[in-house]
Amino acid sequence: DAMVIQNPRYQVTQFGKPVTLSCSQTLNHNVMYWYQQKSSQAPKLLFHYYDKDFNNEADTPDNFQSRRPNTSFCFLDIRSPGLGDAAMYLCATSRDLGTGDTDTQYFGPGTRLTVL
Amino acid sequence: DAKTTQPNSMESNEEEPVHLPCNHSTISGTDYIHWYRQLPSQGPEYVIHGLTSNVNNRMASLAIAEDRKSSTLILHRATLRDAAVYYCILRDVRGYNAGNMLTFGGGTRLMVKP
Repeated sequence: DAMVIQNPRYQVTQFGKPVTLSCSQTLNHNVMYWYQQKSSQAPKLLFHYYDKDFNNEADTPDNFQSRRPNTSFCFLDIRSPGLGDAAMYLCATSRDLGTGDTDTQYFGPGTRLTVL
Repeated sequence: DAKTTQPNSMESNEEEPVHLPCNHSTISGTDYIHWYRQLPSQGPEYVIHGLTSNVNNRMASLAIAEDRKSSTLILHRATLRDAAVYYCILRDVRGYNAGNMLTFGGGTRLMVKP
């Protein structure tokens, strides 16, 4: 089935050690999103790509970066993880409807990041 | 941004209907009402959305008040698999740069009892 895939499902890193989370999609959607979800909280959008155009949310820390080398893949880089960055990171995709709006979002299963 | 208010949690018995309310008193004319749900240890999934008229799909029904200041997600027969957090979200569709992102609120945790 076409889907949004996130690897790994669980990631452990050390305080201050850079870490990269990956997301791939077989839906051929042109919009990709990264959300952060801390324990018992709702997902919070970090940034998204509309094709190759990167759109950062105003309150996303500089510690978080993203890359999208092609339509299928998108990466979340955390340059110096702190204890407060431990969370579930969710990738999502959506399709441009050609009207200026985007279709519903399809989420991956998430990567749970632990920072030691 | 228009905000939504949902009860923190609700309980239901298996195979009974469930009505999940959402208040959005500051909704604008260009806001669609979206519902997503998040099952345990999974990413959110789309459930249903609507603008003014009631909507039905294979997962649920969405009943929208005439003044659009509230809506209700209806699960016709709850199953154990429906236990999840249900999010009611407003999305402005005036244009890509006018706030088409999903802003999740607190959601309602639905517990289904066998």
